Amino acid sequence: EVQLVQSGAEVKKPGESLKISCKGSGYRFTSYWIAWVRQMPGKGLEWMGIIYPGDSDTTYSPSFQGQVTISADKSISTAYLHWSSLKASDTAMYYCARRINYGGLDVWGQGTTVTVSS
Amino acid sequence: DIQMTQSPSTLSTSVGDRVAITCRASQSISTWLAWYQQKPGKAPRLLIYKASSLQSGVPSRFSGSGSGTEFTLTINSLQPDDFATYYCQHYNNFPWTFGQGTKVEIK
Repeated sequence: EVQLVQSGAEVKKPGESLKISCKGSGYRFTSYWIAWVRQMPGKGLEWMGIIYPGDSDTTYSPSFQGQVTISADKSISTAYLHWSSLKASDTAMYYCARRINYGGLDVWGQGTTVTVSS
Repeated sequence: DIQMTQSPSTLSTSVGDRVAITCRASQSISTWLAWYQQKPGKAPRLLIYKASSLQSGVPSRFSGSGSGTEFTLTINSLQPDDFATYYCQHYNNFPWTFGQGTKVEIK
């Protein structure tokens, strides 16, 4: 079964760093792009960026460039989303998702809730 | 960036109805468009890719059409399981963007 499994919920304070993960299984991880999508409480979906685990080629949305870092470790089939200094406005659900060859995101992780509060 | 605008924002409808949701792009995206369904507390689910291709496992009452800047998601004979929020998303170029969502609710 093709699946993406994300790391668990996080509660952090402003200024702290955080890295969440997304582990792929059931398919060749290095052959499909992995995207990250944010959903703030009660709001819509926002595309943050995308990485190709085969060579770590990465593109960010301008809205998120410089705010987060997307990376991948192909040896363990895992993609990451990293913040160096969290803000309260980073409180949201974060999803990773796999891109299919003709576009669209066909397999989604279960989501990771990040809460940033003092 | 390409902006995606969905209409309506909310649709009040009944089981058995035919529903149409429109998505407009701020510039031509050919057919590089996907539609997703999201239920509360769940991850989105891909319904349609490349504007009109039905994702495997998605019921045939869902269909997509359009090209260029105007697209439509149609649900024929709405079922109880279809009450959810629907999003369009372009992937013509980076950055990809989503529409703001259309909530399909029970009248």
